[in-house]
Amino acid sequence: EAQVTQNPRYLITVTGKKLTVTCSQNMNHEYMSWYRQDPGLGLRQIYYSMNVEVTDKGDVPEGYKVSRKEKRNFPLILESPSPNQTSLYFCASSLSGILTYEQYFGPGTRLTVT
Amino acid sequence: AQSVTQPDIHITVSEGASLELRCNYSYGATPYLFWYVQSPGQGLQLLLKYFSGDTLVQGIKGFEAEFKRSQSSFNLRKPSVHWSDAAEYFCAVDPRGGGGFKTIFGAGTRLFVKA
Repeated sequence: EAQVTQNPRYLITVTGKKLTVTCSQNMNHEYMSWYRQDPGLGLRQIYYSMNVEVTDKGDVPEGYKVSRKEKRNFPLILESPSPNQTSLYFCASSLSGILTYEQYFGPGTRLTVT
Repeated sequence: AQSVTQPDIHITVSEGASLELRCNYSYGATPYLFWYVQSPGQGLQLLLKYFSGDTLVQGIKGFEAEFKRSQSSFNLRKPSVHWSDAAEYFCAVDPRGGGGFKTIFGAGTRLFVKA
């Protein structure tokens, strides 16, 4: 089954404790992206990757890191989480090329930082 | 700055009634336009998209949307709403030339369906 998986689905952590949210897709997509969803703000792009070893900042990259060492994986790293990073996070992937463009979203990771 | 506005935070319609969700964008040129749906506890699913050509586009689940350049709008419609349509709906744009890598989402409209 074609899908985007995220782990963990739920996470409660404390300020300053490094964490990684994993994202994996099995569709051989070149493009992957991370978003955060906050009430009243919709989804905001954190980082995206056009292919292996190619990443770029989205609209709200502060406090986050990403890496793309393999095509299928795109982990989101919070080196020193803070309470304002409490949010619902989504990973997405798609084929490159705008005419085939459709982003497939993972189920989301709900993160609480206390 | 590029932006997407969904004026209605939430809308309530009766089952069987028609639906229109509004979306306006602010961008110099016509961007690529999308509607996504998010059911409770789920990720987002693409309903439909507009790149060029016919301004009325058909999507999944009986939804359609009409692009109106003069109004910078891309409103989503459905002639008869079902209870299973209760969800949150997001309008999104991608600036042309962005290669599909820069997506801007609206704040969303939550749809409630009355029995």
